[in-house]
Amino acid sequence: EPEVTQTPSHQVTQMGQEVILRCVPISNHLYFYWYRQILGQKVEFLVSFYNNEISEKSEIFDDQFSVERPDGSNFTLKIRSTKLEDSAMYFCASRETSGRVETQYFGPGTRLLVL
Amino acid sequence: AQTVTQSQPEMSVQEAETVTLSCTYDTSESDYYLFWYKQPPSRQMILVIRQEAYKQQNATENRFSVNFQKAAKSFSLKISDSQLGDAAMYFCALTGTASKLTFGTGTRLQVTL
Repeated sequence: EPEVTQTPSHQVTQMGQEVILRCVPISNHLYFYWYRQILGQKVEFLVSFYNNEISEKSEIFDDQFSVERPDGSNFTLKIRSTKLEDSAMYFCASRETSGRVETQYFGPGTRLLVL
Repeated sequence: AQTVTQSQPEMSVQEAETVTLSCTYDTSESDYYLFWYKQPPSRQMILVIRQEAYKQQNATENRFSVNFQKAAKSFSLKISDSQLGDAAMYFCALTGTASKLTFGTGTRLQVTL
C-alpha cells in the first residue's frame, strides 16, 4: 500500500541553525501539507501546498518557514533559523484526490529537537 | 473558523469491552468531513475512520463505528471488543473546503486486562 515517507526520523540541531525536513508524498496525490505537534499538545496545521504554490498557511508559518517541491517527488519544509520553541514532531500529509472524501494520509513524522 | 473539542483527556476500558470517545465540533461550512486518527506511542498518525457530512449513515470500520449527530455537531467514536493494541491517543479532526485539518486536543485511551 502506498504511504507517505519522511526523513530524517529524528533531527537534533542547535538554535539558529537551518533545518530541512523531507517528505515523499503518495505518488498520485496533488495536495500536500505540513503539520506540527509540540510534545503533549494537539496537532497544528502549518501550511498547504498545491500546484507548486502555497494555498494556505497558519500564523505559525512565518518568514522563518518555507516549503518547496524541488523535483516532482520530494516536498520539503525548511526552517531558516531554528528556535527552541520549534522543537516538535513535524508531520507531512498528502491528500487523496479521487472521489469526494478529503482524506489526508500522514507520514511517520520527524522529531525535531532544538538545543 | 473551525473548532474541534474533545472533552475527555483520558479514558479507560477493559479488554473486550466497549468504549465511546466524544467529540464536538463547530464549522460554518455545509460540506465537510470528519475523521478519527489514532496516535500510538510511536506518534505516527493513523486514520481510523472517516465520515462525510452529507451522508446520514454512520461510518463503520470493523470494530470502530461513529455516532454522527449533525444537528448537534457531535461525532463520537465507539470501539467494540477493545484490544490491548487499541491503547493510544485518539484525535478527532475536521476539514472543509479549505482542506486543512483542525484537530481536537485528543483523548488518551488505556486498555486494561
